Amino acid sequence: SAVISQKPSRDICQRGTSLTIQCQVDSQVTMMFWYRQQPGQSLTLIATANQGSEATYESGFVIDKFPISRPNLTFSTLTVSNLSPEDSSIYLCSAQSGNTIYFGEGSWLTVV
Amino acid sequence: QKEVEQDPGPLSVPEGAIVSLNCTYSNSAFQYFMWYRQYSRKGPELLMYTYSSGNKEDGRFTAQVDKSSKYISLFIRDSQPSDSATYLCAMRGNDYKLSFGAGTTVTVRA
Repeated sequence: SAVISQKPSRDICQRGTSLTIQCQVDSQVTMMFWYRQQPGQSLTLIATANQGSEATYESGFVIDKFPISRPNLTFSTLTVSNLSPEDSSIYLCSAQSGNTIYFGEGSWLTVV
Repeated sequence: QKEVEQDPGPLSVPEGAIVSLNCTYSNSAFQYFMWYRQYSRKGPELLMYTYSSGNKEDGRFTAQVDKSSKYISLFIRDSQPSDSATYLCAMRGNDYKLSFGAGTTVTVRA
């Protein structure tokens, strides 16, 4: 299994600002992903964080809004830019270990 | 039509009852099937993982996959109040990208 730590666990941000979320895995992993969980809804994949290259974004998500870094095999960051109240969600980092995917505890973002 | 359908419930059962959860899906490429448990204000916790069709048992939990019907199930025996949570089915093909169901909220009454 993989143990995934996220920071911050929660934050309240002003609209128009940006928030960067850090994700640390306790072992080297090939695949890391970022998901969003809007209030009362299920998880939606934002992007695959690729080590050493640009992230691969899913339909509806763009790099300008959600820039992602993956400098090595254990760490990634997700930035949510130009925040609006609609960005209030839980942002979840996940990593592949064997055939399964593990998740961090999530970063709870409220935009005011 | 969503790729993965899951009844969001809510589902309320008395302690000791069997909880039955299920999902249907439309993508034939899905080969790996997972169930996650998510407590309020926590991240999803992996409960069960199954590859292709068949049954898998782990303590009080049993996962079933029927690929011919595109139908998966999770059974929780002897349910406890601590099982009260949202249960998410998830599945993927070979690319490790998970598609999730809506999640079913379960309450086990003491």
